[in-house]
Amino acid sequence: DSGVTQTPKHLITATGQRVTLRCSPRSGDLSVYWYQQSLDQGLQFLIQYYNGEERAKGNILERFSAQQFPDLHSELNLSSLELGDSALYFCASSVGVGPTYEQYFGPGTRLTVT
Amino acid sequence: GESVGLHLPTLSVQEGDNSIINCAYSNSASDYFIWYKQESGKGPQFIIDIRSNMDKRQGQRVTVLLNKTVKHLSLQIAATQPGDSAVYFCAETGGSNYKLTFGKGTLLTVNP
Repeated sequence: DSGVTQTPKHLITATGQRVTLRCSPRSGDLSVYWYQQSLDQGLQFLIQYYNGEERAKGNILERFSAQQFPDLHSELNLSSLELGDSALYFCASSVGVGPTYEQYFGPGTRLTVT
Repeated sequence: GESVGLHLPTLSVQEGDNSIINCAYSNSASDYFIWYKQESGKGPQFIIDIRSNMDKRQGQRVTVLLNKTVKHLSLQIAATQPGDSAVYFCAETGGSNYKLTFGKGTLLTVNP
């Protein structure tokens, strides 16, 4: 158990809909990262927050947004969903900023768009 | 552009054998590398890392080798066990100071 929790575990929704994925980092970690894992693209970095502020953006679509709240939990919002958005979404947390801080991954949320 | 790739998508070994998983990278600015293990239904888990000023680093039953000349990274697992069955990813930072770039992964299957 990494100490990172994600809800829900599974989500099935229709195209055009909007969903929210939630992540609680390990106790004491200030950074939260979001990743998308699909069969064709592998594990792709989406966005990072540190202590409530956005610190880095990766391959995140404009239809997607995220935020980190004062209690450090984070939410990833996916809107106008398309079939191609079906994937595993992982949250990871670390103590500090930067990729050399060990990232602890949650169990993921499996999103299926039908 | 940047890319991190794996030579073999699958690897099958016998229990007790040593396993070697390979990874090629193309960004010469890469200065930090990590191996992750992902078991079925779980998120990736850190195994071992290495900085570009090293060519070898050892952990418990695992060794990472880095050859900067040919931009190649390998993970060696000694005395492979059934619990080692998983997908293994290499990741590198490249010239980035904020993100990791992951390879596609190699599926390791350990046969009893």
